[in-house]
Amino acid sequence: GESVGLHLPTLSVQEGDNSIINCAYSNSASDYFIWYKQESGKGPQFIIDIRSNMDKRQGQRVTVLLNKTVKHLSLQIAATQPGDSAVYFCAEIRGSARQLTFGSGTQLTVLP
Amino acid sequence: DVKVTQSSRYLVKRTGEKVFLECVQDMDHENMFWYRQDPGLGLRLIYFSYDVKMKEKGDIPEGYSVSREKKERFSLILESASTNQTSMYLCASSLGQTRETQYFGPGTRLLVL
Repeated sequence: GESVGLHLPTLSVQEGDNSIINCAYSNSASDYFIWYKQESGKGPQFIIDIRSNMDKRQGQRVTVLLNKTVKHLSLQIAATQPGDSAVYFCAEIRGSARQLTFGSGTQLTVLP
Repeated sequence: DVKVTQSSRYLVKRTGEKVFLECVQDMDHENMFWYRQDPGLGLRLIYFSYDVKMKEKGDIPEGYSVSREKKERFSLILESASTNQTSMYLCASSLGQTRETQYFGPGTRLLVL
């Protein structure tokens, strides 16, 4: 399953499939990006981050890809599990104050 | 593990009341942040602090103030609560300098009647 930008708020995938959640960021000067996962009733939880001097970073079952040319970020989740159901946010660092700007999020639903 | 705690999970207040939301982190982080989260609007930064007694306005500071008297504690104050401040409030902290990942608390859901 795949989502595009921040304007598709939901993504449904079958358990065991790979998920791809996409994010378009706005500021070409942003140099640090984070993906967060937020389960219902909880605060956002850090998943993985990437700096602008990299184009790929891998974690446990997750991979983040960064394409600075088109200002695009994606989160790939391998072998999606029911526990992956949550809202996923991308965030970018901006400005000299190093503030995070969050996207509106994508709701991932894992189907049995 | 980083732990960020917030004083209440749920709060119900009346219009005009003064409201205090407390946040404590136990990892000696320099930076602390307050956000509100609303459906369709994502997380919006209200205020942040990069040191004790220091504060900076975020994107939506109107109607809020903050206090950071101790490094581990960052308070958000609604001087006179209004119904449009009904929201989920999230506190976060980060180590600072090049360690910018923010770690979040569980959130406080505030309802202003």
